[in-house]
Amino acid sequence: GNSVTQMEGPVTLSEEAFLTINCTYTATGYPSLFWYVQYPGEGLQLLLKATKADDKGSNKGFEATYRKETTSFHLEKGSVQVSDSAVYFCALRDDYKLSFGAGTTVTVRA
Amino acid sequence: DAMVIQNPRYQVTQFGKPVTLSCSQTLNHNVMYWYQQKSSQAPKLLFHYYDKDFNNEADTPDNFQSRRPNTSFCFLDIRSPGLGDAAMYLCATSRVPTGSYNEQFFGPGTRLTVL
Repeated sequence: GNSVTQMEGPVTLSEEAFLTINCTYTATGYPSLFWYVQYPGEGLQLLLKATKADDKGSNKGFEATYRKETTSFHLEKGSVQVSDSAVYFCALRDDYKLSFGAGTTVTVRA
Repeated sequence: DAMVIQNPRYQVTQFGKPVTLSCSQTLNHNVMYWYQQKSSQAPKLLFHYYDKDFNNEADTPDNFQSRRPNTSFCFLDIRSPGLGDAAMYLCATSRVPTGSYNEQFFGPGTRLTVL
């Protein structure tokens, strides 16, 4: 079946550092890929998405590129802020169903 | 603002005592989903409604039921909560279940504690 594996955390960074969270997937066909963010005490928010190979999703300084050859969708941000502290989930959608990775907790220190 | 609302945000129940969680939406979306998210784990889809059609995931325990009396509201009923059902329950909506317009919008979640 479909599954998502993402880098385990927690990840602790200083402000303005570079962030990468690795995500790889296993799927039949060509699923859409997503990154969701969950701030403390809140629900999930869609951060970015890509629907086909080589698509790049971007939002709020975050980027991820759909790499079919490596079945990956790594999340990157060049300069993180304290407000980026959250849990980040990689997910794939096959038909109606979202399958999530386990989540990566990111803490950014001032 | 259009949104997905979940009430209550925190719910405490006793072992074996039925409990109902509520979700409402002002987005007028056709699809409503319920996810279970246990501590430090990924959200897991329990079931979803497409309009009035109920779609249960194969591994969702029989203890979990859902009702959707109208477009705006969807309820999650846990008939006999066990300690293992303590989790965050997330409601989500989408315009359609598949295709370009099926982005899912999530509510803030209800954290369920079972004593």
